[in-house]
Amino acid sequence: DAGVIQSPRHEVTEMGQEVTLRCKPISGHDYLFWYRQTMMRGLELLIYFNNNVPIDDSGMPEDRFSAKMPNASFSTLKIQPSEPRDSAVYFCASSLAQAGGYNEQFFGPGTRLTVL
Amino acid sequence: DQQVKQNSPSLSVQEGRISILNCDYTNSMFDYFLWYKKYPAEGPTFLISISSIKDKNEDGRFTVFLNKSAKHLSLHIVPSQPGDSAVYFCAASAGEAGGTSYGKLTFGQGTILTVHP
Repeated sequence: DAGVIQSPRHEVTEMGQEVTLRCKPISGHDYLFWYRQTMMRGLELLIYFNNNVPIDDSGMPEDRFSAKMPNASFSTLKIQPSEPRDSAVYFCASSLAQAGGYNEQFFGPGTRLTVL
Repeated sequence: DQQVKQNSPSLSVQEGRISILNCDYTNSMFDYFLWYKKYPAEGPTFLISISSIKDKNEDGRFTVFLNKSAKHLSLHIVPSQPGDSAVYFCAASAGEAGGTSYGKLTFGQGTILTVHP
């Protein structure tokens, strides 16, 4: 298995531009998560999906952020318009529901976003 | 509100000695705890976990201890090796399968471990 795939790996954009981050989860996994990593707050959960349905988007910082999962093998995180404070590493992760609450998540390599 | 806290941003240890990474949580509903390890330019990878019905879980050089009354867990690495140098994240999970919280992990801020040769 190729693992969780994210693209692009690096994105540099100017303030006000639209940014789209992409994720392909591990085949067969039924949960997909979007995280943001910053020095101050560590790994913050932004939103997660179960069977392509958004379950909890309480971590999405503002309306400028949106996420979709049109099918089981693809998800996007969009920021429009982007701001310098959005600069961070964004991770996508996927997992397979198992009895007993064991929720090992498999992470992609991340997208490093820089907004100038 | 940070429900999972790692109060030490960094830890430096000599090779061969013990590394102890600490984590505190506030949510009493958490019933499963995990440690993830992250190398630069890579995503976090699962290291070890513990259920709230246990107080210790061991896997080779790695041992996780859970003190539920204190809402505290720790990761012990012994002996520490230079290859263990990474960021370590503590994470917690709550809820039964099918519940609204199932599948969600809450992570701490991470601790940077440096093991010197």
